[in-house]
Amino acid sequence: DAMVIQNPRYQVTQFGKPVTLSCSQTLNHNVMYWYQQKSSQAPKLLFHYYDKDFNNEADTPDNFQSRRPNTSFCFLDIRSPGLGDAAMYLCATSSTGGDGYGYTFGSGTRLTVV
Amino acid sequence: GQNIDQPTEMTATEGAIVQINCTYQTSGFNGLFWYQQHAGEAPTFLSYNVLDGLEEKGRFSSFLSRSKGYSYLLLKELQMKDSASYLCVGFYNQGGKLIFGQGTELSVKP
Repeated sequence: DAMVIQNPRYQVTQFGKPVTLSCSQTLNHNVMYWYQQKSSQAPKLLFHYYDKDFNNEADTPDNFQSRRPNTSFCFLDIRSPGLGDAAMYLCATSSTGGDGYGYTFGSGTRLTVV
Repeated sequence: GQNIDQPTEMTATEGAIVQINCTYQTSGFNGLFWYQQHAGEAPTFLSYNVLDGLEEKGRFSSFLSRSKGYSYLLLKELQMKDSASYLCVGFYNQGGKLIFGQGTELSVKP
């Protein structure tokens, strides 16, 4: 089945040690998004790629970077994770049809910082 | 802004019906999602409404009124497994952005 896959489901990293989360999709969608969701809060958009064009949200910390080497893959790099970066990270994709049909979330990666 | 407002929490009894309301700002609005999210898991798609009216999918129905900026999610024959957070999410023109409500934490009691 076509889907959005995030690896790993659970990631533990040390304070200050760089970590990379990955997302892949078989939907051939143009747009890929990364969201951060902390406990009891709504998901917060960090950035998104429209094809190869990177769009950063104004309040996304510099500590967070992203790469999209091809249509299928997108990575979230956290350069120096702090305790406050512990959260669920959600990848999503959508097509550019101008509506919300097909907007698809991955299963998320839960990041723990120790 | 494009605020999405929904109640923070609701409680209902197993077997009953519950309606979760949501209001949103209509400027730039394209459509409205409802997602279910269990603790520690990713959101699961329930519905996406673009046109006015009621759409029914088994025990779950979703309603949209574009002119009023109003939606609701109706859950029938509640089961204990329906205890979860329900996210009302607007899809807006600007960059295809999703605007999330804070979620309604639904507790189903025996």
